[in-house]
Amino acid sequence: DTGVSQDPRHKITKRGQNVTFRCDPISEHNRLYWYRQTLGQGPEFLTYFQNEAQLEKSRLLSDRFSAERPKGSFSTLEIQRTEQGDSAMYLCASSLAWQGKRAQYFGPGTRLLVL
Amino acid sequence: AQTVTQSQPEMSVQEAETVTLSCTYDTSENNYYLFWYKQPPSRQMILVIRQEAYKQQNATENRFSVNFQKAAKSFSLKISDSQLGDTAMYFCAFMIGSGTYKYIFGTGTRLKVLA
Repeated sequence: DTGVSQDPRHKITKRGQNVTFRCDPISEHNRLYWYRQTLGQGPEFLTYFQNEAQLEKSRLLSDRFSAERPKGSFSTLEIQRTEQGDSAMYLCASSLAWQGKRAQYFGPGTRLLVL
Repeated sequence: AQTVTQSQPEMSVQEAETVTLSCTYDTSENNYYLFWYKQPPSRQMILVIRQEAYKQQNATENRFSVNFQKAAKSFSLKISDSQLGDTAMYFCAFMIGSGTYKYIFGTGTRLKVLA
């Protein structure tokens, strides 16, 4: 069990640029979640997948955000035309569907700074 | 809509002492789950303890226990015999019992254990 990994760990970009983050869940986990955490706040839910299907999206996930999990393994989160308000820590988590509402296992996060 | 409130932004406790972190929540649901997550400095978030709302018995995990008061919508975390490694941000989280797998997090309590 190598844990949830995220890449990159840090990203600095200029306003208006596109960025893409990757999340690799724990290998047998079929559920994958994305959260956003801004300074001084708790994580906020963005979206989640079961296998390759995106089952729920938050209203926070504007048209500039898109998430994919094409083969039900790793996932990518893309932000187009970044804005300074997108600066945050982006957290990925995974879990096993059959375990229901038990723990979600979080990755270390990708810290995004938009200049 | 569900909300989670953590009214203590920062707390400190002497090593080996006991500390209680507060959490209140608001929901009209009857079936839900409550969680405490720990986020150590620069490390990923991990589950500390979980409580099903339909269970009257308070959950315990080694030095960690909760005081779940359903009528008062209160879910406090007690850490006994505090250790230096308990220094972290602690987040209280809520999840509805059906349909969704998203957490709703509070804003966190920063706990520092003093030697």
